[in-house]
Amino acid sequence: DGGITQSPKYLFRKEGQNVTLSCEQNLNHDAMYWYRQDPGQGLRLIYYSQIVNDFQKGDIAEGYSVSREKKESFPLTVTSAQKNPTAFYLCASSPAGFSTYEQYFGPGTRLTVT
Amino acid sequence: AQSVTQLGSHVSVSEGALVLLRCNYSSSVPPYLFWYVQYPNQGLQLLLKYTSAATLVKGINGFEAEFKKSETSFHLTKPSAHMSDAAEYFCAVSDLNDMRFGAGTRLTVKP
Repeated sequence: DGGITQSPKYLFRKEGQNVTLSCEQNLNHDAMYWYRQDPGQGLRLIYYSQIVNDFQKGDIAEGYSVSREKKESFPLTVTSAQKNPTAFYLCASSPAGFSTYEQYFGPGTRLTVT
Repeated sequence: AQSVTQLGSHVSVSEGALVLLRCNYSSSVPPYLFWYVQYPNQGLQLLLKYTSAATLVKGINGFEAEFKKSETSFHLTKPSAHMSDAAEYFCAVSDLNDMRFGAGTRLTVKP
């Protein structure tokens, strides 16, 4: 059953701690993306990767970091430098980069930092 | 830079009524356009997409959208709303360098 998995569904952290969100896909897609979703603001791109061992910053990369060591995995680390980390985080993938292909989304991780 | 505007952050219709969710885009190149649906605390699911073939695009769950270049619009419609259509809907525009999402429209369906 192909798709994208994100874990955990809910994550709670104390302010000042780094936290890593998992994203795995078994669709054999080259491109993967991380978005942040806040109420009333749609989706904002954090980072994207079009190929293994390469990634680019999106619109709101400050305070976040990623790695792409394997085609199927694209973990996101929310660092203590991120001012307002509480949000819903969505991972997506597509066969290739921005193009005619739609993006396939995971179920999301809701991060709460107190 | 391309962008998407969704008119109306909230739309409420009665069950069985027409659903119309508005999306206008700006793009310097021929765009690829998408509509996604999101149910609470879930990821986004593709409803339909326009990639320069037919201007009237049919999607899942009875939804369709019409690409109108002269109006730079890609409005989403469904002839008869069902309770299960209650969700948030996102319009997105893509070129070869970027994909931009609208702010979303929350659809409420009244019994």
